[in-house]
Amino acid sequence: QSVLTQPPSASGTPGQRVTISCSGRSSNIGSNTVNWYQQLPGTAPKLLVYSNSQRPSGVPDRFSGSKSGTSASLAISGLQSEDEADYYCAVWDDSLNGGVFGGGTKLTVL
Amino acid sequence: EVQLVESGGGLVQPGGSLRLSCVASGFTFSDYPMTWVRQAPGKGLEWVSAISGSGDTTRYGDSVRGRFTISRDNSKNTLYLQMNSLRVDDTAVYYCAKDWKCDPWGQGTLVTVSS
Repeated sequence: QSVLTQPPSASGTPGQRVTISCSGRSSNIGSNTVNWYQQLPGTAPKLLVYSNSQRPSGVPDRFSGSKSGTSASLAISGLQSEDEADYYCAVWDDSLNGGVFGGGTKLTVL
Repeated sequence: EVQLVESGGGLVQPGGSLRLSCVASGFTFSDYPMTWVRQAPGKGLEWVSAISGSGDTTRYGDSVRGRFTISRDNSKNTLYLQMNSLRVDDTAVYYCAKDWKCDPWGQGTLVTVSS
């Protein structure tokens, strides 16, 4: 059971907007910034969003992150077939004194 | 270009030990914390350990604390993970990543713990 809760799956059709949620608690999301990672099949994860809503260079602006209280969300607009991947949220947990990942969400583009 | 290359994975019996290495290039290694993350076959990501740029601060996940030791040699641009008392459930691909926010990641090295 992950400290951060994500839906195990999400789906959408090309062009649609989908959101993936990440629920935590006061010691993690409530106190620290959230990062999001994309893992394409058979590859290493890649940083998609950091500090709740910042995108590294090269990440399309179709990807956006937000945080409110003890929850965070990743939104993907203009869904494309190449967005089919696993998505993970992550944050520092002050109680555990370590990092924690969500269980991951498998995004399917129908 | 930042590159991280892990090595040292392999097959080990339960109770055994293994040391992973991660050689970094393309950035000033000593300026950045480093992180180890693992992924069991077919499972999600699990944060394992992290170390500050100087090496004087380390953190561990609950499942590895007391068995794994993270360290670094800034003169060799190399990060290490010493894994002792290995268990079957330590079987995973182990990734090293730059910084607390894990960007970028290496390609990973597979550790299999089995009798």
